[in-house]
Amino acid sequence: GAGVSQSPSNKVTEKGKDVELRCDPISGHTALYWYRQRLGQGLEFLIYFQGNSAPDKSGLPSDRFSAERTGESVSTLTIQRTQQEDSAVYLCASSGTGTVNEKLFFGSGTQLSVL
Amino acid sequence: GNSVTQMEGPVTLSEEAFLTINCTYTATGYPSLFWYVQYPGEGLQLLLKATKADDKGSNKGFEATYRKETTSFHLEKGSVQVSDSAVYFCALSNQAGTALIFGKGTTLSVSS
Repeated sequence: GAGVSQSPSNKVTEKGKDVELRCDPISGHTALYWYRQRLGQGLEFLIYFQGNSAPDKSGLPSDRFSAERTGESVSTLTIQRTQQEDSAVYLCASSGTGTVNEKLFFGSGTQLSVL
Repeated sequence: GNSVTQMEGPVTLSEEAFLTINCTYTATGYPSLFWYVQYPGEGLQLLLKATKADDKGSNKGFEATYRKETTSFHLEKGSVQVSDSAVYFCALSNQAGTALIFGKGTTLSVSS
């Protein structure tokens, strides 16, 4: 596609429910990143994929959070048993090869609200 | 670990004013430094970067110089325009070199 696509753009859920967020990176990009942005805070790194493997998942805040990537393309971020503190904008980014100096292309994000 | 601190906003300027947004960092080794910008209704995009000390990144009239001695990467523009109104994020590479660490962002509002 032309850019990084994320869906849904908005998600409202009840506390305790599971949610899945989707990211479609730019075609051919091998590196994919998930970030979280809470209100008034900077972007918080969650996980980095190189191809289908995740060499750095140090930012996942708890075992309720998991992510996978298949076919070196689509990635899903799953949050189980959501809590109110999970409310944030979840951003996905991709880059061509994954070297840290390379330009990241960001999606528009998924706004998650946990009631 | 590596971290970055940028000035709190919002910054409100008149068109053609001089802009400085301060950014300082703490890091092990020699990280690369970045400024990303988010225009209203758009995703974050790279504005400029510098990969080693004394490098100057520049784009769209914005400049930032990688100062190792002061651990800073301040963003400057000589004459801002209304179209520069956006949120600006300073970032550096993490210690593992696998991801970027972002500051909290500074909102710039330019009026005509």
